[in-house]
Amino acid sequence: DQQVKQNSPSLSVQEGRISILNCDYTNSMFDYFLWYKKYPAEGPTFLISISSIKDKNEDGRFTVFLNKSAKHLSLHIVPSQPGDSAVYFCAASGRDDKIIFGKGTRLHILP
Amino acid sequence: DVKVTQSSRYLVKRTGEKVFLECVQDMDHENMFWYRQDPGLGLRLIYFSYDVKMKEKGDIPEGYSVSREKKERFSLILESASTNQTSMYLCASSSLTGPSSYEQYFGPGTRLTVT
Repeated sequence: DQQVKQNSPSLSVQEGRISILNCDYTNSMFDYFLWYKKYPAEGPTFLISISSIKDKNEDGRFTVFLNKSAKHLSLHIVPSQPGDSAVYFCAASGRDDKIIFGKGTRLHILP
Repeated sequence: DVKVTQSSRYLVKRTGEKVFLECVQDMDHENMFWYRQDPGLGLRLIYFSYDVKMKEKGDIPEGYSVSREKKERFSLILESASTNQTSMYLCASSSLTGPSSYEQYFGPGTRLTVT
């Protein structure tokens, strides 16, 4: 059973617009959530994270929102740029230092 | 900057061969991880280690083993490679403590093809 779900395998967004990537989780013991970005033939790179005690974290063009009651988080990218085209993985962690990854969403930024 | 390096970017092996994938990190991290990434399946944890000579099974350990003789080095071993082990293999490390302890740093990956 998937503990971290990214239900959209791909997403296309016009350059300059907002990209919204969604993620749902099932385990209420998760207390830390992360987003990773991955280009082809490279390892994932950490993008942004949020602790379960917060509902929003912002870093430049990237904002992560956490809705604990709905067990849902989202990543907002605004404005979207061509270099944002990549696969984005949502991930969650409990207290054992392991990270559970979603299956990823491929984001295409259209010119 | 944290640097995680993997011994090979691309590797082609024959069915039945013993395969070693090496990973080295230079940030004195306690935790090290091996994942495989397959299309539509995301990243799946194979094995991880919290300390030297210590290992724990992840979600898909079958057909794999690991070795951690030194803190900075974590090796993944395919005892007898099979075609269903063709995949992208990713090594990661993280610190045991501190505000960034949840964040894992990944190597560039090894694309393994078993023929």
